[in-house]
Amino acid sequence: RKEVEQDPGPFNVPEGATVAFNCTYSNSASQSFFWYRQDCRKEPKLLMSVYSSGNEDGRFTAQLNRASQYISLLIRDSKLSDSATYLCVVTGSSNTGKLIFGQGTTLQVKP
Amino acid sequence: DTEVTQTPKHLVMGMTNKKSLKCEQHMGHRAMYWYKQKAKKPPELMFVYSYEKLSINESVPSRFSPECPNSSLLNLHLHALQPEDSALYLCASSQVLSGGANEQFFGPGTRLTVL
Repeated sequence: RKEVEQDPGPFNVPEGATVAFNCTYSNSASQSFFWYRQDCRKEPKLLMSVYSSGNEDGRFTAQLNRASQYISLLIRDSKLSDSATYLCVVTGSSNTGKLIFGQGTTLQVKP
Repeated sequence: DTEVTQTPKHLVMGMTNKKSLKCEQHMGHRAMYWYKQKAKKPPELMFVYSYEKLSINESVPSRFSPECPNSSLLNLHLHALQPEDSALYLCASSQVLSGGANEQFFGPGTRLTVL
């Protein structure tokens, strides 16, 4: 079983749609959780950290359920510029700085 | 300013060459990382430096040699690489290794081709 699992997609949605990505992780001792966005042939960019209380940044909402070891990202009112690969990332249980990446979910927003 | 810079942007080298990749950050971060990323795969961790000391080597072959000359700079020295080492090499930094300030910020990467 992969340490971080994501549906690779692709998710093809029209502009203005709401889309949700899910991710599960296997290590219950993981401490920090993130969503990164990566455009083709570019570096990953931090989209948001994810907290147990949930957090929102504009059209983006992230949720963490520690009991189910589940992380989600909701994008409302999708824009063409949201087309990218979204990486679910968790840290390991020890304080090593090591990030564990999911395989990424590809989103294509169409006009 | 959350900028990490990397040079060169592109590098083509032969299997007998020696080259170096450079990474710089001026955010006062004390943890720096090297990752390797192949097409359509997530980044794979290679090395972690914390307070200029190597803290993780993910069993990387010795043809890759990291160096952290000071808290702002991270180098990756390359020697006798193989064609399968062709990839995007990403540098990242974070304030510290763990705790509340461990978000990692990535540089734009060096796209390496080994002939």
